[in-house]
Amino acid sequence: AQSVAQPEDQVNVAEGNPLTVKCTYSVSGNPYLFWYVQYPNRGLQFLLKYITGDNLVKGSYGFEAEFNKSQTSFHLKKPSALVSDSALYFCAVRDSGTYKYIFGTGTRLKVLA
Amino acid sequence: DVKVTQSSRYLVKRTGEKVFLECVQDMDHENMFWYRQDPGLGLRLIYFSYDVKMKEKGDIPEGYSVSREKKERFSLILESASTNQTSMYLCASSTRILGPGYGYTFGSGTRLTVV
Repeated sequence: AQSVAQPEDQVNVAEGNPLTVKCTYSVSGNPYLFWYVQYPNRGLQFLLKYITGDNLVKGSYGFEAEFNKSQTSFHLKKPSALVSDSALYFCAVRDSGTYKYIFGTGTRLKVLA
Repeated sequence: DVKVTQSSRYLVKRTGEKVFLECVQDMDHENMFWYRQDPGLGLRLIYFSYDVKMKEKGDIPEGYSVSREKKERFSLILESASTNQTSMYLCASSTRILGPGYGYTFGSGTRLTVV
C-alpha cells in the first residue's frame, strides 16, 4: 500500500537561512512524487514534481526537492527562506499504476523575520 | 487559466441538515475527487469519480454521498450533517491520462461548520 510520512508537524527557520521539509514514502511501483503548498484558507497549489531523471528537481518560488531512492525520501528545500514562504506544505505520492494520490499530514513552515 | 471552482468558501449548517457542496471544473477532466482536510490528519479521500455517473468510495465515505451527472460538476452531499463533519473540504480534478506529469488541480476549498 502507498503511504507518505511527514515527520515534522512544524518547522521554524529564520529568514535568509536554508530550509528543509522532510518527506518519506512507500509505494509498490515507480513513485510519482509531488509537493503542494497551502496558504491560509486556500486550496493546494502545485510546487514541483519528481517523475524520473535528475534527483534534484526545481520548482516554483525557488523551491527544489531531492529524490533519494535508497532512503525513499523526497525532501523539500530552499537555499534562503522568505517570510512569505510561511505556509502549510504537503508531500504526495502516486503509484505509477493508479490515479489516486496519497498525501502526507502536512508540515507547517514558519519563517521568522 | 484552468480552474476548479467550489461554490462556497464558508458554510454554516445545523446538525441534521442536508448539505450540498458543489465543485465545477473547466478543464474537461475525467477524474474528480473530494477530500476533507483536518489538522494533524492531512487530506483524506472521501469519494472520487472517473467518469459521469460513476463514483467510488475513498478512505472515509461514511456519512457522505456524491453525484456526478455532468462531466464538469461533482457534488458532495452530507445526508444529515453532524458536528464531526466540521472541516475544510477540497475538490480536485485530473485528466485520465496516467502519464506521470499530470497532477491534481485543486479548488480553493469550502470551510464547513456544523453547529
